[in-house]
Amino acid sequence: KAGVTQTPRYLIKTRGQQVTLSCSPISGHRSVSWYQQTPGQGLQFLFEYFSETQRNKGNFPGRFSGRQFSNSRSEMNVSTLELGDSALYLCASSLQDTYEQYFGPGTRLTVT
Amino acid sequence: QKEVEQNSGPLSVPEGAIASLNCTYSDRGSQSFFWYRQYSGKSPELIMSIYSNGDKEDGRFTAQLNKASQYVSLLIRDSQPSDSATYLCAVSVSGYALNFGKGTSLLVTP
Repeated sequence: KAGVTQTPRYLIKTRGQQVTLSCSPISGHRSVSWYQQTPGQGLQFLFEYFSETQRNKGNFPGRFSGRQFSNSRSEMNVSTLELGDSALYLCASSLQDTYEQYFGPGTRLTVT
Repeated sequence: QKEVEQNSGPLSVPEGAIASLNCTYSDRGSQSFFWYRQYSGKSPELIMSIYSNGDKEDGRFTAQLNKASQYVSLLIRDSQPSDSATYLCAVSVSGYALNFGKGTSLLVTP
């Protein structure tokens, strides 16, 4: 079974721009969560979607948003990029009724 | 912000020894506990999940949970150089929002 896939793998953007990251979960997984990983803050929860609905949201500004499609694929968007948004963005998927999350390879975002 | 605390290490153990990784958490309502392994430049990989007090074994790995002490640990028996990585403890109060510790760096020396 194929794992979680994320595109693009690497991205360089300029401060003030916006960016959209994509995630395809493991087949059959309907819950998709997003995390930000930085050396200073570690792994931090952004939000979680199930059946196209956001069920949980972390403590991030409104510039961070996401959505989920009917095929469970998910996107996250960051608007008005700041230098501090440079991070590894990780997507994880889960089966319904289990909280075990399986991570994709991540998207490395660099904001200059 | 509820805390998940781990010793950053590095924890150095000789090949073949038992590595013991520890994690404490502050939210008594925590229900689900996970250990992830992350190699440098890679994404986290799920090793173990544990939901009730006691021990859970899977191959060379044993997870231990003590909710009264708010403590979860991971033992790695017969440690191998390939086990050298950062080990992340993750805790969930409810649902899928995981709260991660900063991780413990493990170095297994030949």
